[in-house]
Amino acid sequence: DAGITQSPRYKITETGRQVTLMCHQTWSHSYMFWYRQDLGHGLRLIYYSAAADITDKGEVSDGYVVSRSKTENFPLTLESATRSQTSVYFCASRVGPSSTGELFFGEGSRLTVL
Amino acid sequence: TQLLEQSPQFLSIQEGENLTVYCNSSSVFSSLQWYRQEPGEGPVLLVTVVTGGEVKKLKRLTFQFGDARKDSSLHITAAQPGDTGLYLCAGGMNRDDKIIFGKGTRLHILP
Repeated sequence: DAGITQSPRYKITETGRQVTLMCHQTWSHSYMFWYRQDLGHGLRLIYYSAAADITDKGEVSDGYVVSRSKTENFPLTLESATRSQTSVYFCASRVGPSSTGELFFGEGSRLTVL
Repeated sequence: TQLLEQSPQFLSIQEGENLTVYCNSSSVFSSLQWYRQEPGEGPVLLVTVVTGGEVKKLKRLTFQFGDARKDSSLHITAAQPGDTGLYLCAGGMNRDDKIIFGKGTRLHILP
């Protein structure tokens, strides 16, 4: 009964390096989301996915890449990390398309870019 | 552009007091959700409101969706230290399946 898990929980990297944050859910929810949370900005949507092989940009997608080859996994890649990408990243899942559905969040991945 | 404005950003009150936090927008939302987040954890859903004017109660918490579906409020009666946390409102629109969050209200209840 793991639910939704993120890894790593903490990551320190350097500017210019590629970083991948993993997200895995055990419920077979069709929708998955990536948000970043920063002081003063709240939660901002990076990317989301309606199903395997279907992804769409959110409000702050520049510098990020996602893939969804399997329903249960939704990795987020920073192709060339920048200091402005230092943040706490949250993955979430939802059963279906309705915006009334509950978002289930992971515990977050804290990324520091030096 | 912040579609959902929450106020106040910070609130620190004594145990036993009542409080209200607000979530406002110039846009119409098909639904509004309230989440609570504790340090080191992801947000957890408290309630979803979908009908204009709807009021929902969750123990000492009362949630209201504005008649025009542009705003919502969360009222806490007799606040307790366990209510401390970050309260986030989130809105969904009919035109798509995304959820947009406000910046949150950080609530601290002093014992």
